[in-house]
Amino acid sequence: GIQVEQSPPDLILQEGANSTLRCNFSDSVNNLQWFHQNPWGQLINLFYIPSGTKQNGRLSATTVATERYSLLYISSSQTTDSGVYFCAVKSDSNYQLIWGAGTKLIIKP
Amino acid sequence: KAGVTQTPRYLIKTRGQQVTLSCSPISGHRSVSWYQQTPGQGLQFLFEYFSETQRNKGNFPGRFSGRQFSNSRSEMNVSTLELGDSALYLCASRWIGGAGYGYTFGSGTRLTVV
Repeated sequence: GIQVEQSPPDLILQEGANSTLRCNFSDSVNNLQWFHQNPWGQLINLFYIPSGTKQNGRLSATTVATERYSLLYISSSQTTDSGVYFCAVKSDSNYQLIWGAGTKLIIKP
Repeated sequence: KAGVTQTPRYLIKTRGQQVTLSCSPISGHRSVSWYQQTPGQGLQFLFEYFSETQRNKGNFPGRFSGRQFSNSRSEMNVSTLELGDSALYLCASRWIGGAGYGYTFGSGTRLTVV
């Protein structure tokens, strides 16, 4: 089945810094989403991005489907950006989302 | 538009008991999926329902079951609870009608088995 790898596993930054999170996947996908899990466990959908580039405020994401990776950019980080960021993908051959292990982001004031 | 609603938010049960969790999807969404999240195993797929039919099931024992009602609300049941069933159970809904739509998750039910 599809393998999903996220890097880095942990990231500690000062408020105001920029960051790039990476998601590599091993096969073609028809669904790729980035989620932010807050300290209460809620998974917040950031982007649905099986290909192309999207931006939403300080966040943007790019997926290069032919090279099987996606990047999540966070600019001017705020303490509220802290949490775990997950990449999840789905292919035509299965019904389930396959998850990366996540990147734990800590933004220090 | 209301989001995905999961109840209850927290639950404490004793080993051997059974538990039922509820998920109400976004209005118009007919697909509901369930995931289990634990610190050791991460997020694992339990099952997906669409139009009251289970479409796929993850690698979990038969103690884990679910169903979907005609209004798309879904329940999952865990019988004969074990300590290892302690986890965050997340439900997601999505609209299956074409490209451009992903999964929206509820706030989860945190189950503790003692």
